[in-house]
Amino acid sequence: NAGVTQTPKFRILKIGQSMTLQCTQDMNHNYMYWYRQDPGMGLKLIYYSVGAGITDKGEVPNGYNVSRSTTEDFPLRLELAAPSQTSVYFCAGSNRNTEAFFGQGTRLTVV
Amino acid sequence: EDQVTQSPEALRLQEGESSSLNCSYTVSGLRGLFWYRQDPGKGPEFLFTLYSAGEEKEKERLKATLTKKESFLHITAPKPEDSATYLCAVRPYGGSQGNLIFGKGTKLSVKP
Repeated sequence: NAGVTQTPKFRILKIGQSMTLQCTQDMNHNYMYWYRQDPGMGLKLIYYSVGAGITDKGEVPNGYNVSRSTTEDFPLRLELAAPSQTSVYFCAGSNRNTEAFFGQGTRLTVV
Repeated sequence: EDQVTQSPEALRLQEGESSSLNCSYTVSGLRGLFWYRQDPGKGPEFLFTLYSAGEEKEKERLKATLTKKESFLHITAPKPEDSATYLCAVRPYGGSQGNLIFGKGTKLSVKP
């Protein structure tokens, strides 16, 4: 039972490069989320989706894009990476009003 | 504005020394309150969900309680393996659908 799977686990990007963080879930969750976690700052919502084809911005969406073509997958795209995007990124899934289950995270460094 | 405040930021306990972690929240309406445990380098691991004031949940040495303004995570006779950061999150009515708002966490260290 895989749950929520994120790839890659670690990545170093140069300023201006782009990349996609992958997230897939096998828990049949309608809701999926992307959070970033910075030291001492807690988890901040970047984007979320309430179902395939539907996405919306969270608290800190600038510099990111998402898509949700299937229920299972919710990739996060970084365009023109900046040092401010150095962080740990977590994908999560839930159903309406229930607890969210998180992946193991992607540690991204932009240099 | 919806917000969650956890206290203390850090807590050091001796093994067997019971204590409580606090999560205060301000929301227009509460769909649910969630407690998570996070170990270094890992994703948050779900512990409890509480939906209404007066509700309590227990799991091993942990007990979560909920009032209209705050939640407590009580740790009874902790062991070193309970050392972790404990996160509290709320899902409010209104605003972004399904949004979970997290506190900054309490880092618990239990010494043998």
